[in-house]
Amino acid sequence: GAVVSQHPSRVICKSGTSVKIECRSLDFQATTMFWYRQFPKQSLMLMATSNEGSKATYEQGVEKDKFLINHASLTLSTLTVTSAHPEDSSFYICSADNRGRTTDTQYFGPGTRLTVL
Amino acid sequence: EDQVTQSPEALRLQEGESSSLNCSYTVSGLRGLFWYRQDPGKGPEFLFTLYSAGEEKEKERLKATLTKKESFLHITAPKPEDSATYLCAVRVLYNTDKLIFGTGTRLQVFP
Repeated sequence: GAVVSQHPSRVICKSGTSVKIECRSLDFQATTMFWYRQFPKQSLMLMATSNEGSKATYEQGVEKDKFLINHASLTLSTLTVTSAHPEDSSFYICSADNRGRTTDTQYFGPGTRLTVL
Repeated sequence: EDQVTQSPEALRLQEGESSSLNCSYTVSGLRGLFWYRQDPGKGPEFLFTLYSAGEEKEKERLKATLTKKESFLHITAPKPEDSATYLCAVRVLYNTDKLIFGTGTRLQVFP
C-alpha cells in the first residue's frame, strides 16, 4: 500500500517549452502533496506544498509563476514548469501525505528527470 | 531554528560489518521522525516512523531507535544491496505539513 506514482519518469524538452509532471497517490487519498527538487548528491529541496482545492504554498525563492502547481483532486497533483530553461534541468520528486488513525507518513514518487536543451 | 543533522556523511562497510547512522535533531516540538532510503535516480523509499523517545522499530537488517535528541539507524550484518543514501526527516508540532530533512548518509557496502 501507500504507492505514489509520477509521470513521466524522464523528459527532454527544448528551451522555452512547458513541461507538465503528474503525481498520483494510487491507493490512498492525499489532502496534501509536496513537490521537491533534488540536485546531484544533495538532499531534497522543498519547492511547494499543495493542498487539494486551494492554492499551493511556495517556499522562499521558488517562482510561483514558473512552477505552476495544481491539486485538483485528492489523488492528483501536477507541476508545470513554464518556459523551461537549461537551469531548470533537475530531478523533481513529489510526495503525498497519508494521514489517518494509524498512519502519519509522507510517501514519495519515483521522481522525474527533466533535461532542458 | 529547527535543524536535522546526519552523520557520517558517507560510510563504507565490509559486508557483514554492523554499524550505526546518526540523526541529531533540534526542534521546538517533535511530531515524528522518519527514515527513508534513496537509491540513485529514484525517489525516497519509506522505512520507519518514530514518534516518542524510547521507541524502536525493525525491518530485516535495519533497526531505528529514538531519543529526545537523536535517532540511530542500526544496520546489522549489511549486504551490498543495503548500499544507498539514508535520509532522516522530522515533522514538527507547529507545522505538521513539512518534513525537515537532513543531508543524508551515503552508505556503501562492499562484498
